[in-house]
Amino acid sequence: AQSVTQLDSHVSVSEGTPVLLRCNYSSSYSPSLFWYVQHPNKGLQLLLKYTSAATLVKGINGFEAEFKKSETSFHLTKPSAHMSDAAEYFCVVSDIFGSSNTGKLIFGQGTTLQVKP
Amino acid sequence: EPEVTQTPSHQVTQMGQEVILRCVPISNHLYFYWYRQILGQKVEFLVSFYNNEISEKSEIFDDQFSVERPDGSNFTLKIRSTKLEDSAMYFCASSAPLPGASYNEQFFGPGTRLTVL
Repeated sequence: AQSVTQLDSHVSVSEGTPVLLRCNYSSSYSPSLFWYVQHPNKGLQLLLKYTSAATLVKGINGFEAEFKKSETSFHLTKPSAHMSDAAEYFCVVSDIFGSSNTGKLIFGQGTTLQVKP
Repeated sequence: EPEVTQTPSHQVTQMGQEVILRCVPISNHLYFYWYRQILGQKVEFLVSFYNNEISEKSEIFDDQFSVERPDGSNFTLKIRSTKLEDSAMYFCASSAPLPGASYNEQFFGPGTRLTVL
């Protein structure tokens, strides 16, 4: 079975400093991995996706993630945090090889990113 | 840009009542999903729907739940007799995986917050 673990439930950074949100995955197959962001009272927005092409994936709003198979990690980074980045972030794996191959998404627990002025 | 829409944004109901949550997926998409997020918990898969039938469902999706695509545009989730523990944010998603694609990017609606009293 596929799963993701987000290593931090809460991360606090100062505006202008780097952001690192950690995610480890477990998969029997080459996974498809995603990061979604959820701003307060908003829906889920796709930040970026890894789909077995380049291991360094660039997303929206300056976010990046690197797929490291040897470490089974897919950490999300951003060089410089903005106040508007404060939100809940979910690391997600696609169960494309599940029992019915419908590709349901399996979410991590989420990491709340706080950005201090 | 096409988007998934959901109505209502907030539904309050009494325990034991039936509720119907509505979603309009992106028009050329073929796969439809419902997820839920209980307050403070992670997003959980409920059900996937393809070719007018359920393709996969989770343990949460018991006999009290049903889904339907009554016409060419709407996708509904019905809860027959709501319980207190059904209180959650319910997200609809849709996707249109390309033939041979190794991933399944799902587009989410803004959610319906269901409160059961």
